[in-house]
Amino acid sequence: NAGVTQTPKFQVLKTGQSMTLQCAQDMNHEYMSWYRQDPGMGLRLIHYSVGAGITDQGEVPNGYNVSRSTTEDFPLRLLSAAPSQTSVYFCASSRLTADTEAFFGQGTRLTVV
Amino acid sequence: QQPVQSPQAVILREGEDAVINCSSSKALYSVHWYRQKHGEAPVFLMILLKGGEQKGHEKISASFNEKKQQSSLYLTASQLSYSGTYFCGPFTGGGNKLTFGTGTQLKVEL
Repeated sequence: NAGVTQTPKFQVLKTGQSMTLQCAQDMNHEYMSWYRQDPGMGLRLIHYSVGAGITDQGEVPNGYNVSRSTTEDFPLRLLSAAPSQTSVYFCASSRLTADTEAFFGQGTRLTVV
Repeated sequence: QQPVQSPQAVILREGEDAVINCSSSKALYSVHWYRQKHGEAPVFLMILLKGGEQKGHEKISASFNEKKQQSSLYLTASQLSYSGTYFCGPFTGGGNKLTFGTGTQLKVEL
């Protein structure tokens, strides 16, 4: 089992560029989510999905888009990168119940210059 | 609103005990706890369910006060391997989303 796979691991963008962070899981989990981690801020929820075709906003959704066309994939799109989006991004997945753990990808370190 | 954790950081000598607190403004179905080593992804520690059931780590314990919407993680006889950042993850209703607290940095020294 690969678990949750995130690509790329590192990325440098110029201000205004767009890109997609990929996230795939092979555990047939209904729930998938994206977080950004900044020093002193913990893990903040960007967007999440409870199944294919269903997405919703988290705490910090501005500047990001998501889609969920399949159960396995949940890409995060940066529409026009800004220096404030420099962060470490984590994708996570879990079953859609309150009593099961979340599994995280290895993270993407994004720098916007 | 992001759950609040306290303390923000703590330094322990090996063998000492620590308590990490997590407080949510929303009603909780369960509370997750995760530990993150530097440069790595968060890793699951345990889940606390309403009614007192606990699933997860054998050596680390926790409590869950449903009425106060709070949880505490108890680290006893700490080991060097306990160093890392701890996150609580209250699982709340109204959308089934998993949010995480602000994190507590724990460092265990010899």
